[in-house]
Amino acid sequence: DSGVTQTPKHLITATGQRVTLRCSPRSGDLSVYWYQQSLDQGLQFLIQYYNGEERAKGNILERFSAQQFPDLHSELNLSSLELGDSALYFCASSAGGEKLFFGSGTQLSVL
Amino acid sequence: GQSLEQPSEVTAVEGAIVQINCTYQTSGFYGLSWYQQHDGGAPTFLSYNALDGLEETGRFSSFLSRSDSYGYLLLQELQMKDSASYFCAVSTTGGYQKVTFGIGTKLQVIP
Repeated sequence: DSGVTQTPKHLITATGQRVTLRCSPRSGDLSVYWYQQSLDQGLQFLIQYYNGEERAKGNILERFSAQQFPDLHSELNLSSLELGDSALYFCASSAGGEKLFFGSGTQLSVL
Repeated sequence: GQSLEQPSEVTAVEGAIVQINCTYQTSGFYGLSWYQQHDGGAPTFLSYNALDGLEETGRFSSFLSRSDSYGYLLLQELQMKDSASYFCAVSTTGGYQKVTFGIGTKLQVIP
């Protein structure tokens, strides 16, 4: 158990809809990272927060947004969903960038 | 931006040694890490190198050459359970250590 909690584990929705993925980091970790992993693909970096502030942005679509709350949990919002957004979304937390602890992921299926 | 290259697939025999190479191009390099991901699972941390040289952790070792922008993961005494995908990842100083992953190397261990 990495100590990082992601909910929900599975999400099935329709095109055009909006969903929210939630992540609770390990106790004491201030950094939260979001990654997207499509079938047989690597981990695409989306966005990183540190203690509530956005610190780095990757290839995140404008339809996607995220935030980190004062209690350090983070949410990734995906809107106007398309079939191509179907993927496994991972959250990871870290005290520094040397070692990331990953949650079990949210499998998103857009039908 | 950052780019990482690693072989897409490697096959090795149980009990043997395998080396997975990773070359990278990035600005603000801070360190190179390795993660293991079994099918259907979350990535788990294996090792981290910030300085040149070899780091050993049990059957796994990781090497870094900052001047060559190159590193490798060495797995010894291969076991069937080592069949998984292995990702190298670079940490960069921008944005409090953004962590970018390579495409991953799928290792198949055969009897």
